[in-house]
Amino acid sequence: DAGVTQSPTHLIKTRGQQVTLRCSPKSGHDTVSWYQQALGQGPQFIFQYYEEEERQRGNFPDRFSGHQFPNYSSELNVNALLLGDSALYLCASSLARIAEAFFGQGTRLTVV
Amino acid sequence: QKEVEQDPGPLSVPEGAIVSLNCTYSNSAFQYFMWYRQYSRKGPELLMYTYSSGNKEDGRFTAQVDKSSKYISLFIRDSQPSDSATYLCAMTHNNAGNMLTFGGGTRLMVKP
Repeated sequence: DAGVTQSPTHLIKTRGQQVTLRCSPKSGHDTVSWYQQALGQGPQFIFQYYEEEERQRGNFPDRFSGHQFPNYSSELNVNALLLGDSALYLCASSLARIAEAFFGQGTRLTVV
Repeated sequence: QKEVEQDPGPLSVPEGAIVSLNCTYSNSAFQYFMWYRQYSRKGPELLMYTYSSGNKEDGRFTAQVDKSSKYISLFIRDSQPSDSATYLCAMTHNNAGNMLTFGGGTRLMVKP
């Protein structure tokens, strides 16, 4: 049983560009959440998708957007990249209304 | 002030020691509590998941929640060098689905 998978593993982008990160949830899970983790800090909640709708959103600007597909996989898009967007981006999957969440290995984004 | 506070460490202990890791929080609405282990440049791995106050044991790990004091702990018995990692506490509101609020993490080093 595959756990949560994310792609790509690493990514280097130039300031001002756009990036798309992908996540496949754990088998049987229907909810995907995205987190940003800066170096030396705990993950910060970006948003959560359930039934292809954004259900909750953290304190992140509109440059951060997402999508969930019918097979429950998800994408995180970030426009107009800033140097401060450099971080480990984590995807977590869970069942709706169940707190237990499982994380993928993350995508390390470096903006230069 | 952050909602969830965690001593960043590093905490250095000899192999075989009992380790105590702690978090304090300010929001009494938190109902579900989790501990994650994160190795360098990897995604967080769920160790323990507890609901409300009380203790939960799983192998060498014991999670403790004291809601009256807004204080949670993770104890690791017979610590091993492979336990060297960053430990993150996370918690979620009862009515907010499973959006997690994390502490900043405590870095643990277990020396042979």
